[in-house]
Amino acid sequence: QSALTQPASVSGSPGQSITISCTGTRSDVGTYNIVSWYQQHPGKAPKLIIYEVTKRPSGVSNRFSGSRSGNTASLTISGLRTDDEADYFCCSYAGSSAVVFGGGTKLTVL
Amino acid sequence: EVQLVESGGGSVQPGGSLRLSCAASGLTFSSSWMHWVRQAPGEGLVWVSRISSDGSSTTYADSVKGRFTISRDNAKNTLYLQMNSLRVEDTAVYYCARDGSGSSSNWFDPWGQGTLVTVSS
Repeated sequence: QSALTQPASVSGSPGQSITISCTGTRSDVGTYNIVSWYQQHPGKAPKLIIYEVTKRPSGVSNRFSGSRSGNTASLTISGLRTDDEADYFCCSYAGSSAVVFGGGTKLTVL
Repeated sequence: EVQLVESGGGSVQPGGSLRLSCAASGLTFSSSWMHWVRQAPGEGLVWVSRISSDGSSTTYADSVKGRFTISRDNAKNTLYLQMNSLRVEDTAVYYCARDGSGSSSNWFDPWGQGTLVTVSS
């Protein structure tokens, strides 16, 4: 299984919205409703922010939302804040007990 | 509060072995599927292995199959990763994580703080 494809970096200004894409294949993102997103600040452990494509864990801001179209999942962050600056990773089940992550996207809040 | 605390990382030469531990608290460990995920310095996340709640089912990424063994001791609320025949490319921070729904949902929450494994001659 190959890693999912994410843009290396995105940027936005406080208050704006940004979207991070995560492109897979019919063998992973396009088939399974098991797409998740993680936020990772430097030197910290990843934190779950979206699971099962669109669901948000308790305690995660509703500024974070997930969606999917075909083989591409997306994470949208609205009302950007400076503390949203972090790395973001998507993840998908890929069948046959395999799990694949994206390469990560560095979000810069200008 | 759910807490996962990894230990056992360190420096080892290629071909060597290490055993990582992950101590769990604040959750019903014996009912939770668990995973190991690693992250090479400056790189992305890579899933390594999973184990069922009772330890009867284990799966591995192709890159570690035959070299790593995941196990658990539910009486001690502890997850393990025995790593043998280590390679330079195994250098990474290793995280343990609970399966999100508890049973093979294949999303991860929460994560431990990680333990660094360095394989170098």
